[in-house]
Amino acid sequence: RKEVEQDPGPFNVPEGATVAFNCTYSNSASQSFFWYRQDCRKEPKLLMSVYSSGNEDGRFTAQLNRASQYISLLIRDSKLSDSATYLCVVGFSGGGADGLTFGKGTHLIIQP
Amino acid sequence: DGGITQSPKYLFRKEGQNVTLSCEQNLNHDAMYWYRQDPGQGLRLIYYSQIVNDFQKGDIAEGYSVSREKKESFPLTVTSAQKNPTAFYLCASSAGPYNSPLHFGNGTRLTVT
Repeated sequence: RKEVEQDPGPFNVPEGATVAFNCTYSNSASQSFFWYRQDCRKEPKLLMSVYSSGNEDGRFTAQLNRASQYISLLIRDSKLSDSATYLCVVGFSGGGADGLTFGKGTHLIIQP
Repeated sequence: DGGITQSPKYLFRKEGQNVTLSCEQNLNHDAMYWYRQDPGQGLRLIYYSQIVNDFQKGDIAEGYSVSREKKESFPLTVTSAQKNPTAFYLCASSAGPYNSPLHFGNGTRLTVT
């Protein structure tokens, strides 16, 4: 199965700052891309799907760069409640039983 | 309100005992999944079911079994053959494979001593 890689962090960021992190994928035929947020000892929750044209949801912006094979997540005006692990998920129809590959996550800590 | 429910939240068992984790969804999703998460690790697929009465092994199926007799239910049995069963188990469902977002249950934390 092809790999998905994320910088594990932790990223320590002051409240109110803008933070961005990337997720690289090795399979150029990947077809779907998602960002999930996972709080400590909780289940992952979908943050946003990532579309080719990029998409924005409030303070969060996700982008896809197919040429360089990565997706990015930008968080503006960061809040203490944004502290979590952010998981990147990449989908491919030929990629194993479920077609999904998970990154190990980037740990973000927003500091007051 | 639609969702996916796992039970119990915490489960403690002695080594050598089989244990079954429950997963129920009312989202009318065809696809259901079981993942295992260990500290510092990504999610690893145990089993996947795309339709009732059909399921496929994931990357780490050894020592586990599943059934899919109803669309809503996808229970996972952790057998005594699983060498290191202590972990956080996550059930998920989706409208379709690989290109639909997953909806996760709140997980079962299994401790085997």
